Amino acid sequence: DAGVTQSPTHLIKTRGQHVTLRCSPISGHKSVSWYQQVLGQGPQFIFQYYEKEERGRGNFPDRFSARQFPNYSSELNVNALLLGDSALYLCASSLVQLVGNEQFFGPGTRLTVL
Amino acid sequence: AQTVTQSQPEMSVQEAETVTLSCTYDTSESDYYLFWYKQPPSRQMILVIRQEAYKQQNATENRFSVNFQKAAKSFSLKISDSQLGDAAMYFCAYRFSNTGKLIFGQGTTLQVKP
Repeated sequence: DAGVTQSPTHLIKTRGQHVTLRCSPISGHKSVSWYQQVLGQGPQFIFQYYEKEERGRGNFPDRFSARQFPNYSSELNVNALLLGDSALYLCASSLVQLVGNEQFFGPGTRLTVL
Repeated sequence: AQTVTQSQPEMSVQEAETVTLSCTYDTSESDYYLFWYKQPPSRQMILVIRQEAYKQQNATENRFSVNFQKAAKSFSLKISDSQLGDAAMYFCAYRFSNTGKLIFGQGTTLQVKP
């Protein structure tokens, strides 16, 4: 079975631009979470979606937004990119939103903002 | 606010020997989950082991075991019979009881020497 997939793998943008990152969860998984991992640090929670509704939001500015589609895939959008947005963006999926459910992570999208 | 602290930025161990990675956390909740994740250079975050806070028994997964001290808010990971493939960044993570949000520590880079 395919794991969590993310696209693109790498992305280079310039300041002020907009970016869309995509995530496909494991088949049957209904919950998707997004994390930002700056080099050398632990991931920081951005959003969680379950059944197409936002269920949690981290301490990120409104430039960050996300949505989940009927097939449970998800997009993370970042507007007005800043140099500090350069990071590895991780997507994780889980079967349901239960606290004990394991989150399976994708390989991430490496975003570089110049 | 909940926080997770890993005080060892780097650790090294000789192949076949045992190493312990430390993690402390701060929370006012009584029901939560704790996790150790492994992130090799390939970037894919992999779950190593999980511990339910309400369980007194320490979790064990093959060569990996934890020492969970709830009163001390300590959650260390012991790797026995270390293998070259264990070399990676290890993250301790806390999961809230009612959401899918994970709070990660800063990570510990483990080097395994042949």
